[in-house]
Amino acid sequence: AQSVTQLDSQVPVFEEAPVELRCNYSSSVSVYLFWYVQYPNQGLQLLLKYLSGSTLVKGINGFEAEFNKSQTSFHLRKPSVHISDTAEYFCAVQRGTSYGKLTFGQGTILTVHP
Amino acid sequence: NAGVTQTPKFRILKIGQSMTLQCTQDMNHNYMYWYRQDPGMGLKLIYYSVGAGITDKGEVPNGYNVSRSTTEDFPLRLELAAPSQTSVYFCASSPREGAGTGELFFGEGSRLTVL
Repeated sequence: AQSVTQLDSQVPVFEEAPVELRCNYSSSVSVYLFWYVQYPNQGLQLLLKYLSGSTLVKGINGFEAEFNKSQTSFHLRKPSVHISDTAEYFCAVQRGTSYGKLTFGQGTILTVHP
Repeated sequence: NAGVTQTPKFRILKIGQSMTLQCTQDMNHNYMYWYRQDPGMGLKLIYYSVGAGITDKGEVPNGYNVSRSTTEDFPLRLELAAPSQTSVYFCASSPREGAGTGELFFGEGSRLTVL
């Protein structure tokens, strides 16, 4: 079985500052990795995904994440955040054969202050 | 573009009552899922379906039932509601090729409170 740990439950930052949301995972088999974002009172949207290839993946809204196999991490970064980035962010993993059956982390609430 | 539509958005139930959360998608996706979201716990998979007539249990299926008679609809039934079922429920769908890559399309959620 796989598991996901998001190391910060809440991250407050000021507008235009950089941000990193941390995610570690454990799995005995190869996995795919994802970041989803949930804006207030909405469903989740896919932000970015790592399937294979380049370990640095870019997503929507200027976010990027780096897959580090040796550290089993998949941290999400943005060099300059905006007020509109305020949301809850979920890291998730999927075994290659487990179609759509994601294991989610606990979520990190990002609050961007003016 | 409706996408994944869930009804109702909010519902309060008394202990022991039953109800059905409706989910429909208009994207002709083969795969559909029900997740529940509890504060600080992330989302957990309740049931999923890979096509009409085929359903299977996820991580937390106890107290729930599903059916998939059409490609579009995937209702979630709660029998004998309990306070532990107070949660936000999300329905999601994925095309066959997208399901292999974990790209799910979520509805806006149904917030259920059991008192």
